[in-house]
Amino acid sequence: GENVEQHPSTLSVQEGDSAVIKCTYSDSASNYFPWYKQELGKGPQLIIDIRSNVGEKKDQRIAVTLNKTAKHFSLHITETQPEDSAVYFCAATLDSGAGSYQLTFGKGTKLSVIP
Amino acid sequence: DTEVTQTPKHLVMGMTNKKSLKCEQHMGHRAMYWYKQKAKKPPELMFVYSYEKLSINESVPSRFSPECPNSSLLNLHLHALQPEDSALYLCASSQDIGQGGSYEQYFGPGTRLTVT
Repeated sequence: GENVEQHPSTLSVQEGDSAVIKCTYSDSASNYFPWYKQELGKGPQLIIDIRSNVGEKKDQRIAVTLNKTAKHFSLHITETQPEDSAVYFCAATLDSGAGSYQLTFGKGTKLSVIP
Repeated sequence: DTEVTQTPKHLVMGMTNKKSLKCEQHMGHRAMYWYKQKAKKPPELMFVYSYEKLSINESVPSRFSPECPNSSLLNLHLHALQPEDSALYLCASSQDIGQGGSYEQYFGPGTRLTVT
């Protein structure tokens, strides 16, 4: 099955600095890579995603890059703010067939933005 | 509207109790998922329903019994649970690519379950 490695497990940055989280996956059949933000006591919230036929995607302060050959993808957050503090999960998606999709998550990165 | 709702928010149950968790979405999604999340860990897939049929069961013990009464509702029936089953139970949904959807899975807020 798919295996997703995520680094670092914790990350502290000063407000206004950038944060980068990296993930690798094992199954070349994975074709969709979402990033989720999870705040304490809440469910994961999809913040950005990228498909395997795209190399980079940006949404305001958040960007994701994908290197399909090397099987790794990264999340970049610029101009970090205290409200960016949360646990971030990367995931790789396999099409299960029959209209459903199987997510495999990385172990998560706890991001702390220091004011 | 990308909302998945879950009830109850919190549940405390004894090991001999029977209880149910409920999940609802009105986005027209035809795939629904149950995940279990322990503290400081990622969500782990338990079950997948696609078009109201169980398509994936990740070797979950029989004390967890899923049910999909219709395309908007997903239940998880709990019976004779163990303390180690205490966790956050998350529901998610997605739409079939073949029906104009995408791979995006939307999660509910979860039910915090404590087994005493």
